[in-house]
Amino acid sequence: AQTVTQSQPEMSVQEAETVTLSCTYDTSENNYYLFWYKQPPSRQMILVIRQEAYKQQNATENRFSVNFQKAAKSFSLKISDSQLGDTAMYFCAFKAAGNKLTFGGGTRVLVKP
Amino acid sequence: NAGVTQTPKFRVLKTGQSMTLLCAQDMNHEYMYWYRQDPGMGLRLIHYSVGEGTTAKGEVPDGYNVSRLKKQNFLLGLESAAPSQTSVYFCASSYWRGNQPQHFGDGTRLSIL
Repeated sequence: AQTVTQSQPEMSVQEAETVTLSCTYDTSENNYYLFWYKQPPSRQMILVIRQEAYKQQNATENRFSVNFQKAAKSFSLKISDSQLGDTAMYFCAFKAAGNKLTFGGGTRVLVKP
Repeated sequence: NAGVTQTPKFRVLKTGQSMTLLCAQDMNHEYMYWYRQDPGMGLRLIHYSVGEGTTAKGEVPDGYNVSRLKKQNFLLGLESAAPSQTSVYFCASSYWRGNQPQHFGDGTRLSIL
């Protein structure tokens, strides 16, 4: 079974600064996909970014980028130029065969003005 | 463009009562999922379906049943509600391809007294 670990329960960052969230996972699969989801106080689950394990290039979506280290089974999320609207819970998720997602425990990000 | 719609959004039950949560998606997705989210935790998979007429157990299936009679609908039932089932329930759907993300509903907050 896959496990996903987010070791930082909470992070705070000043507006316009950069914050990096860590995620590690354990799997014996070779083909898989990794996702970061954002959950603001509204409770919606919003896709932030995704990475396919067979792609060496790190994914980027505007101010969000990942550092994917396959050998280390690490998938960190960097939020650049943090905005107040980035305040939310962030979940790392793993998907292999069967399309089932396994979520980490989440990291609460607080952006301070 | 509704996406994934969950009904109801809030519900309070007494121990032993039964109820059904409805999930509807209008994206013609093959896969549908039910998750629960407990305070301070990530989502955990209850049951899922890979197509009309099919269902399968996830990580925490005990105490729940599901049905997928139509492709666009996925029902989650609690036959005899218990306080341990107090949680926020999320429905999601996706295409079958692994790199496709899951799209989530807004969640149902369920309290069992």
